[in-house]
Parts: sequence; structure tokens; C-alpha cells
Amino acid sequence: AQSVSQHNHHVILSEAASLELGCNYSYGGTVNLFWYVQYPGQHLQLLLKYFSGDPLVKGIKGFEAEFIKSKFSFNLRKPSVQWSDTAEYFCAVNGGSQGNLIFGKGTKLSVKP
Amino acid sequence: GAVVSQHPSWVICKSGTSVKIECRSLDFQATTMFWYRQFPKQSLMLMATSNEGSKATYEQGVEKDKFLINHASLTLSTLTVTSAHPEDSSFYICSARDGDRYNEQFFGPGTRLTVL
Repeated sequence: AQSVSQHNHHVILSEAASLELGCNYSYGGTVNLFWYVQYPGQHLQLLLKYFSGDPLVKGIKGFEAEFIKSKFSFNLRKPSVQWSDTAEYFCAVNGGSQGNLIFGKGTKLSVKP
Repeated sequence: GAVVSQHPSWVICKSGTSVKIECRSLDFQATTMFWYRQFPKQSLMLMATSNEGSKATYEQGVEKDKFLINHASLTLSTLTVTSAHPEDSSFYICSARDGDRYNEQFFGPGTRLTVL
């Protein structure tokens, strides 16, 4: 079965630190990959997505992710985090039998001011 | 564009009552809508897939008689939690897929259900 693994459950950083959140997937077909963010008390928002082409994808709010097919990975990065980046981050792949997204368990990011 | 709304945003009900949650695509036609459930501090789990004009497809372990889904039009799907119990308390999120942008899903803001 298709699955998405997010390695870090909770990441705590200070402002201006660099961020990298890991995401690995298991799916043998053509993949579309997504990173979503969920701020406290709010709904899911799309950060970025990869469908094809340049494996380095740039999203909103300074986030980027790199698709490495050989490693089945799609790690999220940001060079310098801000306190406002405190949120839960979900990696997802469109590998469901119904065309649905399969989500990782999420990584909680806490940024200390 | 690609806005999905849910109503209500939160609801509190007594055990044994039924609750209906609406999911609407506001500016596109959603051939498919998905209903997810998110438990506290956990990920989203797919409950069912709803295709306009046909019966919903439920994931294993999801009771179709308890979670009634109706996708009567290309812009509206409803989830009715029948005879709700405290263990049904959760965050229910819908997403909608635009027929023209098949690879993308657009998420609603979610509905927080609390069953007393």
C-alpha cells in the first residue's frame, strides 16, 4: 500500500534557523507531491506541489522542496524560519485508489522567537 | 479561484442526534469530493470518496450507514453523521477535485464536531 513517512514528529527551532523536514513516499507510479501547512486553529493550506519538470519546487512564504526520485523523497526546506511559521506541516502524495491524497502523520514545527 | 467552503465550521450536539455537514465548491465544478477525518495531533484519514450522481465509496472500517454521503450536484456534497456518539467527535475536512485540474484537490476549512 502507498504510504508517506514524515520522519520528524516535532521540530523546535529558533528564529532565523534553517529548516528541513523529511518526507519519503512509497508509490511506484507517477507521483504528484504536495506539502500543506496547518496553522493553529486553521485549515490546510497548500504550500507547494510537484507534478513534473524541475524537481526543485518553490512555494509560498519562502518554502521550497526538492523531489529526488531515486530516494523517493520530497523534503521541505526554508533557509530562515520565522515565529509565524509555527504550524503543522503535512506531506502528501496522490497515491490513493480513489485518486485521494495520502498524508504523512505531520510534523509540528515550533519556532522560538 | 478554487475555493471550497464547509458549513458549519463547528457544531456541538447531544449523543444520539444526527449532524449534517455541507461541502461546497464555490467557483468550480467538483466531479469528485473527498471526506477526511482528522483526530487531534494526527494526520488526515480518508473516510470516503464522493462522485457526483453516484454512490460514495467508503474506506475500509468506515460505516456507510453511520456516515451518509450525498453528492447531489457538482458543487455540493453532504456528510451526515447519524446517531452521533462521543467517539465521533473529530475534525471533518472535505476536499474537492476540479474536473479540469485532475491532479489537484482543494480543501475546505473543516468542521469541528463535538458530541456530548
